[in-house]
Amino acid sequence: DTGVSQDPRHKITKRGQNVTFRCDPISEHNRLYWYRQTLGQGPEFLTYFQNEAQLEKSRLLSDRFSAERPKGSFSTLEIQRTEQGDSAMYLCASSPSWESEAFFGQGTRLTVV
Amino acid sequence: QKEVEQNSGPLSVPEGAIASLNCTYSDRGSQSFFWYRQYSGKSPELIMSIYSNGDKEDGRFTAQLNKASQYVSLLIRDSQPSDSATYLCAVNRPNDYKLSFGAGTTVTVRA
Repeated sequence: DTGVSQDPRHKITKRGQNVTFRCDPISEHNRLYWYRQTLGQGPEFLTYFQNEAQLEKSRLLSDRFSAERPKGSFSTLEIQRTEQGDSAMYLCASSPSWESEAFFGQGTRLTVV
Repeated sequence: QKEVEQNSGPLSVPEGAIASLNCTYSDRGSQSFFWYRQYSGKSPELIMSIYSNGDKEDGRFTAQLNKASQYVSLLIRDSQPSDSATYLCAVNRPNDYKLSFGAGTTVTVRA
């Protein structure tokens, strides 16, 4: 499978715990995006990487959120001290260039209890 | 004003009918437009992209773009129960790295 891969698919965590999600983009895509989606809403942009450089972060991304893309390959999104409001689907997408189509992974569904 | 707005739905159509989905965007300089299909509990799947004014057809799907009116639409011909999903409109604004999404329109095709 050469599509975007996300791990884990589901995560249940207790409030206050830290969680980390991984995204492996399509291999030739240098652009990688993280989005968050809650029920009944469209995906909301969180952050964007071009190769290893994080070029934009949404104001939605509090200090508890951090993302990395070492060596411009896979990316990780970490949420520290999770809150119930963090419960959502976290989506990763990649694209080969600006204005090109973005392809999404399967998503990671986070539930904070 | 939201960057991308879609008709709220839900939209219910009989099997075999045409489903018509609408999307407007706020930034006149936007250049790339996409439609994604999202089944319940799944991630968005790209179904159409359109970059220039006019119509673009792909199987039973037709995307229409009118940049002067800042309007993009998706027609689904011969709707099938498998088309029942939420359809997301996404726009790539100039000088902006990200895709901006509408809230989606949920389509139900009645057998």
